[in-house]
Amino acid sequence: QVQLQESGPGLVRPSQTLSLTCTVSGDSISSGSSYWSWIRQPAGKGLEWIGRIYTSGGTNYNPSLKSRVTISVDTSKNQFSLKMSSVTAADTAVYYCARSPSWLKFDSWGQGALVTVSS
Amino acid sequence: QSVLTQPPSASGTPGQRVTISCSGSRSNIGGSAVNWYQQLPGTAPKLLIYSVSQRPSGVPDRFSGSKSGTSASLAISGLQSEDEADYYCAAWDDSLNVLFGGGTKLTVL
Repeated sequence: QVQLQESGPGLVRPSQTLSLTCTVSGDSISSGSSYWSWIRQPAGKGLEWIGRIYTSGGTNYNPSLKSRVTISVDTSKNQFSLKMSSVTAADTAVYYCARSPSWLKFDSWGQGALVTVSS
Repeated sequence: QSVLTQPPSASGTPGQRVTISCSGSRSNIGGSAVNWYQQLPGTAPKLLIYSVSQRPSGVPDRFSGSKSGTSASLAISGLQSEDEADYYCAAWDDSLNVLFGGGTKLTVL
């Protein structure tokens, strides 16, 4: 049974860089059988896909966030990470990491990590 | 403003059948599989329907999905109190980016 767990600072200052890590257990990121995504949800609002990475190192990003986002993978630790630069209060949200065996099929999710952008 | 349009709310009484719509365009739903996610209060979303109409193991057959042209629908029959949740549709666009609908809050009266 695959499990994902987000970790990282819960408070980030405006204009700084948000950094989160997702630790995966029960599946190997390096197996190449899945895509690994970040998705966020502001309080009381809907889901927004941020981007994905796959084993070859290939990435796809939401065009609206692409200029500020980098997703990377550390296969030795079975982790993948999110960095989002120049954050503002609008980036305050619960950030989820998720696995998808195909483009849309997010079949396993982390519990979510609340990140607040505030001075 | 989501590219995929869902009604913000829906409601029904126990035992009723409820449908939730998701409207898009040829550049997304029209050329994409559609998935549905259920989000219970305070929890992460859960995959409910994939590839338009397929149910993952463990999802009751009370939940069903369909698609016609540029719109998709989620139907819940035999509505139960535990179905009270937010429901999101998802599709990809021409660039294989993932799009989510704005979500529909289902209330069981």
